[in-house]
Amino acid sequence: AQTVTQSQPEMSVQEAETVTLSCTYDTSESDYYLFWYKQPPSRQMILVIRQEAYKQQNATENRFSVNFQKAAKSFSLKISDSQLGDAAMYFCAYRSARGYNQGGKLIFGQGTELSVKP
Amino acid sequence: DTEVTQTPKHLVMGMTNKKSLKCEQHMGHRAMYWYKQKAKKPPELMFVYSYEKLSINESVPSRFSPECPNSSLLNLHLHALQPEDSALYLCASSQVVRLVNEQYFGPGTRLTVT
Repeated sequence: AQTVTQSQPEMSVQEAETVTLSCTYDTSESDYYLFWYKQPPSRQMILVIRQEAYKQQNATENRFSVNFQKAAKSFSLKISDSQLGDAAMYFCAYRSARGYNQGGKLIFGQGTELSVKP
Repeated sequence: DTEVTQTPKHLVMGMTNKKSLKCEQHMGHRAMYWYKQKAKKPPELMFVYSYEKLSINESVPSRFSPECPNSSLLNLHLHALQPEDSALYLCASSQVVRLVNEQYFGPGTRLTVT
């Protein structure tokens, strides 16, 4: 069975600084997808970024980028130029590539609560 | 339009009540999901519908009954709930024709069982 681990329950960053959130996962599959979701106090889950396991290039979305190390099974999220609006719970999630036409089961980590100090 | 809507936003119900949660999307997605989320915890998958058919049921108690009347709508019927069922209920949808099919979430329904 696949598992996702986020070892940092809480993190803090100064506004305009850079912060990295860690995520490791365990799987025996070779084809899968990884996601970072953000959940602010409103509790709306928002997709931040995704990474296909077959792609070596790290995904980037504006101030958000990932460091995907497939051999190490590591998928960290870097937030550059942190803003007050980045304060939220961040969840790392794994989805197998199998059974995609039946919908995909997301396996979430326990989350990292990020606070941003002005 | 990448919006999933859920109604109601808040619901308070007694243990003997029957109520329903509603989810709607107009993105042409053919997979829809129900999740349960407790505070400070990750969402837990309850049900998945693909092409209006139930494809995954994560051994959810029968007091939760899902229904997918058409490709845009997903309901969750609630009956004889327990106080421990109080949680945020999230709906999500995704495509099923592409491998990557990321899920888009609604704002959730905050359920309190008294």
